[in-house]
Amino acid sequence: AQSVSQHNHHVILSEAASLELGCNYSYGGTVNLFWYVQYPGQHLQLLLKYFSGDPLVKGIKGFEAEFIKSKFSFNLRKPSVQWSDTAEYFCAFSPWGGSYIPTFGRGTSLIVHP
Amino acid sequence: DAGITQSPRHKVTETGTPVTLRCHQTENHRYMYWYRQDPGHGLRLIHYSYGVKDTDKGEVSDGYSVSRSKTEDFLLTLESATSSQTSVYFCAIRGPPYIENSNQPQHFGDGTRLSIL
Repeated sequence: AQSVSQHNHHVILSEAASLELGCNYSYGGTVNLFWYVQYPGQHLQLLLKYFSGDPLVKGIKGFEAEFIKSKFSFNLRKPSVQWSDTAEYFCAFSPWGGSYIPTFGRGTSLIVHP
Repeated sequence: DAGITQSPRHKVTETGTPVTLRCHQTENHRYMYWYRQDPGHGLRLIHYSYGVKDTDKGEVSDGYSVSRSKTEDFLLTLESATSSQTSVYFCAIRGPPYIENSNQPQHFGDGTRLSIL
């Protein structure tokens, strides 16, 4: 069965610390990969996406993610977090060219202390 | 932001009553989805639609039905609400319309907070 595993359920950091959130997916074929962010009380918004090409993708607000096919991973990174990055982060994937039903991870709650 | 409107934004109702949530889009996107979001469970797909009158079940469809009579509207109905259906419900759309193998991400509405007492 298709699944997404987000290893860190809760992360607490101080401002300026570096961030890396893990994401692994379970699927044998080519995939589209996404990271979404949900700020408190808001809807999910797209942070970044990977379809093909350069496995290092850059998104909004200084976030980036690296696709490592051999590890089925798509980890999210930010060199220096800010208090405003406090949010819930969701990793998702959908099989390329086929299903339009993305599979979501359970999310990682990030709290950044000023 | 994509043109997605969910209504109502908040609703409190009693167990056993019917409830209908509406999702309206102005993007002419083919795919529409209903999710529920609960602590510890992330997003779970209830139903989705791939065109007018074309719908299918997601992983948590029991107790829910949907209808899509127009491209722009996707309704979620709880026929007889139960307390376990207290949740935040999100609608999402995905496009562009009617292009196969689209790799577009989903766009989400602002959510409906539903409390069933």
